[in-house]
Amino acid sequence: DTEVTQTPKHLVMGMTNKKSLKCEQHMGHRAMYWYKQKAKKPPELMFVYSYEKLSINESVPSRFSPECPNSSLLNLHLHALQPEDSALYLCASSHRDRAMEQYFGPGTRLTVT
Amino acid sequence: GESVGLHLPTLSVQEGDNSIINCAYSNSASDYFIWYKQESGKGPQFIIDIRSNMDKRQGQRVTVLLNKTVKHLSLQIAATQPGDSAVYFCAENKDQFYFGTGTSLTVIP
Repeated sequence: DTEVTQTPKHLVMGMTNKKSLKCEQHMGHRAMYWYKQKAKKPPELMFVYSYEKLSINESVPSRFSPECPNSSLLNLHLHALQPEDSALYLCASSHRDRAMEQYFGPGTRLTVT
Repeated sequence: GESVGLHLPTLSVQEGDNSIINCAYSNSASDYFIWYKQESGKGPQFIIDIRSNMDKRQGQRVTVLLNKTVKHLSLQIAATQPGDSAVYFCAENKDQFYFGTGTSLTVIP
């Protein structure tokens, strides 16, 4: 199984809502990542988890809260988002932290209204 | 972080022709480079990588060339097919992993 799955595929939420994005992989990878991608732009790294511990937070606002419950799962909790947070949120995994060959999920298309 | 840029934002090629996608990087300390392909509605997909101690690496229909003197990276796709239509990102790694701007490749049947 070389697949990274993400749910939901699409999400529309208001600025006062709380929602969560989910990511799952069963490749035995020990590093997992969250990226944000705006239209026609490259993915921007948000968070890196290595062995279920947060190793990198690229100065992401606290309204985004990552969680890694186990080595296969990665969540991104969303609260009080702004319209400019609307984007494609990509999850990725790799064998280890800083490994270049990352496997990406299809993303969650988030719209904040 | 350091920027990784691409010379051309869009590229159109005829089916069967060869494609060349270029990338400039600015961090001379980067030691590992990678090309990703992102099709519409999908996440990026690994194509090929190259370490800084190499000048060239070949895969199936793809070749990556690295010129460290001018800090330039290119991806060559042989006999381009409609399924190659996508956005291509180069990425560099030193302390962390950064994507370049991206080039949109359109293959004309």
